[in-house]
Amino acid sequence: DTAVSQTPKYLVTQMGNDKSIKCEQNLGHDTMYWYKQDSKKFLKIMFSYNNKELIINETVPNRFSPKSPDKAHLNLHINSLELGDSAVYFCASSAGSGNTGELFFGEGSRLTVL
Amino acid sequence: SQKIEQNSEALNIQEGKTATLTCNYTNYSPAYLQWYRQDPGRGPVFLLLIRENEKEKRKERLKVTFDTTLKQSLFHITASQPADSATYLCALETGANNLFFGTGTRLTVIP
Repeated sequence: DTAVSQTPKYLVTQMGNDKSIKCEQNLGHDTMYWYKQDSKKFLKIMFSYNNKELIINETVPNRFSPKSPDKAHLNLHINSLELGDSAVYFCASSAGSGNTGELFFGEGSRLTVL
Repeated sequence: SQKIEQNSEALNIQEGKTATLTCNYTNYSPAYLQWYRQDPGRGPVFLLLIRENEKEKRKERLKVTFDTTLKQSLFHITASQPADSATYLCALETGANNLFFGTGTRLTVIP
């Protein structure tokens, strides 16, 4: 029973397209995150949501739009994809709010923009 | 802004030895610091959390220290095994719901 699951695992697309990555957690956590890991393996936070509300929005282009229909889901939609968007995107969740605590990560979604 | 440096990008050690990984940070000291393990093609997995008022934390063959004066955490794996080969990431909180990660150290344990 996967705790944090994200789909798709691999995504190959052309520049200019729009794509979405879905994430679901079955841990009952209040907070969910999107992280981006680039080719140098640097893991950088993009967004965090607590109980469906946006808490953190780092300096991410507004082509990236997270959506949280309920506290178990946090999807990432990307418009007008660019070559520099190629990376592995990780969804994560944690219990509670205000105190990050331990993060539970999904397996990642590798996005390749051609 | 906060910056994290992990001692080296890659570390090779002989099986059975103790691996020591370093995490140095700048600016303010966080309330706690975490260590994660990441295998190729997988998501990071939580290992240990140490709070600012704790000097040392242990879990099986793992030990973490936290020195807020030096702004440094050390991560030790004793009696290392080839299965310990992975990338190890340190992370510290820079605000509510914001965990900032270092670039990681890729550990290879040679049989």
